[in-house]
Amino acid sequence: QSALTQPASVSGSPGQSITISCTGTSSDVGAYNYVSWYQQLPGKAPKLMIYEVNYRPSGVSNRFSGSKSGNSASLTISGLQAEDEADYYCSSYTTNSPVVFGGGTKLTVL
Amino acid sequence: EVQLVQSGAEVKKPGESQKISCKGSGYSFTSYWIGWVRQMPGKGLEWMGIIYPGDSDTRYSPSFQGQVTISADKSISTAYLQWSSLKASDTAMYYCARVRATADREVYYFYGMDVWGQGTTVTVSS
Repeated sequence: QSALTQPASVSGSPGQSITISCTGTSSDVGAYNYVSWYQQLPGKAPKLMIYEVNYRPSGVSNRFSGSKSGNSASLTISGLQAEDEADYYCSSYTTNSPVVFGGGTKLTVL
Repeated sequence: EVQLVQSGAEVKKPGESQKISCKGSGYSFTSYWIGWVRQMPGKGLEWMGIIYPGDSDTRYSPSFQGQVTISADKSISTAYLQWSSLKASDTAMYYCARVRATADREVYYFYGMDVWGQGTTVTVSS
């Protein structure tokens, strides 16, 4: 099962908005609205930030939002803050395996 | 407080067996799926498999099918991940997580891992 495709890195300045893409296929992202996004701070366990494409768990800042179009999904972080610097992973339900993750994107806040 | 607490770090030799655990508390352990995720040093997250402690329904990623065994003991709210013969390439951090799911005509769709354990480091070295 191939991983979903994410850019290796993105960067932005405080206050700016950034978008991280997640490209899959018609067997995963394109077929289901079960895309989720995770934030992993250095040395910590991942944290769920978005589920079912665009829903935020309780306690997650509304600066985080998700969307999907065709076989690609996106995570947007607005009003970038230094504390947002982390690795971000997308995942999707798939036809062939319960779930698949993206390769991860390192976000640097300049 | 809803939490998953994993067993401590392990150092093993190639060929040895190993079983790590993940104990849930603060919620109905038998009502949620538990998933396992591998993270090799400096690498990304990999989905390994999932179990429903209520009836031990277990699903594996094709990459991990036959390589590991996932089980659960609902009487003590604990899920397990085990290897029969470790390899150096099994060296990694392993996380368990509670998995949210929805069912439609007996098909389960998994849509988010909302509670994570702290991780268990397994090091395999001769």
